[in-house]
Amino acid sequence: DTEVTQTPKHLVMGMTNKKSLKCEQHMGHRAMYWYKQKAKKPPELMFVYSYEKLSINESVPSRFSPECPNSSLLNLHLHALQPEDSALYLCASSQDAGLGGETQYFGPGTRLLVL
Amino acid sequence: SQQGEEDPQALSIQEGENATMNCSYKTSINNLQWYRQNSGRGLVHLILIRSNEREKHSGRLRVTLDTSKKSSSLLITASRAADTASYFCATDAESGGYNKLIFGAGTRLAVHP
Repeated sequence: DTEVTQTPKHLVMGMTNKKSLKCEQHMGHRAMYWYKQKAKKPPELMFVYSYEKLSINESVPSRFSPECPNSSLLNLHLHALQPEDSALYLCASSQDAGLGGETQYFGPGTRLLVL
Repeated sequence: SQQGEEDPQALSIQEGENATMNCSYKTSINNLQWYRQNSGRGLVHLILIRSNEREKHSGRLRVTLDTSKKSSSLLITASRAADTASYFCATDAESGGYNKLIFGAGTRLAVHP
């Protein structure tokens, strides 16, 4: 199984709402990633978890709060977002984040609209 | 910040033609990867080329790497309408003992039947 799943596929939320994005993989990968992608732009890394520990935080605003409950699951909690946070949020996983040349497997993404 | 710059930004060709996309990067690398993204979907890994390799093939894909020029190219031969997608190069960057991917700006390829 080389699939990364993400829920929901689409999400519309107001600026005062609290919501969560979920990501799951069953490939035994020990590294998981959150990316943000605006239209016609490349994915931008937000967070990296390695062995369930937050390893890289790319100076992401605190209104985005990641969580890794176990090695297969990755959540992104959203609170008090701004309209400019509207984007495609991609989850990915790889065997390890400590090695170079790792292939990352991406989920289909959650398209988020903040009103 | 982006490590790679890609050109062209957009490419429109007919089925059966070849498509060439170029990627340039700024710092030395250990390897470079190419990914494809269909519209609004997740990325799919295509191929990885290591810094000591000059050329690599996978089916209709041919990737070259010139470390002296800090550039790579992706050639898709005999293109099909299903190849319509955005293509990104990605390089590794070290951050606090961990590796992360930095993606280039991407090339949007449209293949017309």
